[in-house]
Amino acid sequence: AQSVTQPDIHITVSEGASLELRCNYSYGATPYLFWYVQSPGQGLQLLLKYFSGDTLVQGIKGFEAEFKRSQSSFNLRKPSVHWSDAAEYFCAVGAAGLTGGGNKLTFGTGTQLKVEL
Amino acid sequence: GAGVSQSPSNKVTEKGKDVELRCDPISGHTALYWYRQSLGQGLEFLIYFQGNSAPDKSGLPSDRFSAERTGGSVSTLTIQRTQQEDSAVYLCASSSIASGTQYFGPGTRLLVL
Repeated sequence: AQSVTQPDIHITVSEGASLELRCNYSYGATPYLFWYVQSPGQGLQLLLKYFSGDTLVQGIKGFEAEFKRSQSSFNLRKPSVHWSDAAEYFCAVGAAGLTGGGNKLTFGTGTQLKVEL
Repeated sequence: GAGVSQSPSNKVTEKGKDVELRCDPISGHTALYWYRQSLGQGLEFLIYFQGNSAPDKSGLPSDRFSAERTGGSVSTLTIQRTQQEDSAVYLCASSSIASGTQYFGPGTRLLVL
């Protein structure tokens, strides 16, 4: 069965500092990988996704993530954090090869990001 | 360019009552998903509809939960005889064949007293 681990429940960074949120997945084949962000009382907004190809993917709001098959990781990074980035971040894995949404996603438990001014 | 919409935004009900939650997917999206987000369980898949195929109900936690999708568009998630452990945020998502990416609605926050 597929699973996702986000080892950091809470992370606090200073505004302007760099950020890395960790995500490890378990999946038997090539996965589809996603990062979503959730602000309080809001739904999930897609930051970026990896399906295939270049292992470094760029997303919205200056975020990027790198797929490392050998480490089963898909860590999210941002070089300079803004106060508005404070939110909860979820990594998710779905089934590859099933376009059109055959991907019932399995989510990690989330990482709550706090940004200190 | 409307996104996924859900109604109601909030629902308070008494234990034992039935509730219906509604989801309007993005126009043209053939796939529709329901997830539940709760403090104890995180984000869990509930059910998936794809076109006219039989839905994947593998995530429904009990037979009190059911969902339907009429005309390949709007979906309703029904919870019968609600229990306090049903209190959660219920999220709907939709996706297209081309993108394979799920876009989420704002959720319905359900509180069972």
